[in-house]
Amino acid sequence: QVQLVQSGAEVKKPGASVKVSCLTSGNTFTNDYIHWVRQAPGQGLEWMGIINPSGGTTRYSQKFQGRVAMTRDTSTSTVYMELGSLRSEDTAVYYCAREPITMERLYYFDYWGQGTLVTVSS
Amino acid sequence: QSALTQPASVSGSPGQSITISCTGTISDVGTYNLVSWYRQYPGKAPKLIIYEVYNRPSGISSRFSGSKTGNTASLSVSGLQAEDEAVYYCCSYAAGGSMVFGGGTKLTVL
Repeated sequence: QVQLVQSGAEVKKPGASVKVSCLTSGNTFTNDYIHWVRQAPGQGLEWMGIINPSGGTTRYSQKFQGRVAMTRDTSTSTVYMELGSLRSEDTAVYYCAREPITMERLYYFDYWGQGTLVTVSS
Repeated sequence: QSALTQPASVSGSPGQSITISCTGTISDVGTYNLVSWYRQYPGKAPKLIIYEVYNRPSGISSRFSGSKTGNTASLSVSGLQAEDEAVYYCCSYAAGGSMVFGGGTKLTVL
């Protein structure tokens, strides 16, 4: 059974960085893509970017370019999302989500992490 | 990339059917059959209910169906049940390799 387990809630000050982890199990780590999606309080879902754990290649939403970095540790089947220069508008629940891979890209998310609340406040 | 357009809310009585629309552009919904739908209960992570426009994952009721015409995708729910009350999001692949969500639709079962 595929599981994505995320790290716990964080409180950060404006201007700081946060790094959220997503531990994957029950799958072949290098065969799937992992996306990051965030949801501000009372708001909708927002796609942030994707990492291919196999080669470490990434693609980020233009909105977060230069401020976000997605990395992976193949030895622990964990992916990370680091967001810098935090501001109050970055207060949100951050989700990792798996895109299954077949012969081609499928562009949907079949498993989600439980979410990590990041609060940015002075 | 602009968000896909969904109605803020829809409602229906138990047993009735409803449809939620999701309007994009030629750069996303209109060109790619890569539209998915998610259901989200309060305080929970989203759950996949439709992928590639009309496919249902195993375990998802056949009361849920998806379709697409031009730049607009739709999610239909038949035989409404109290448990269907949730927020529904559409999502599409967009040209250039990004993905875009709709703003979400609150489904109320009266």
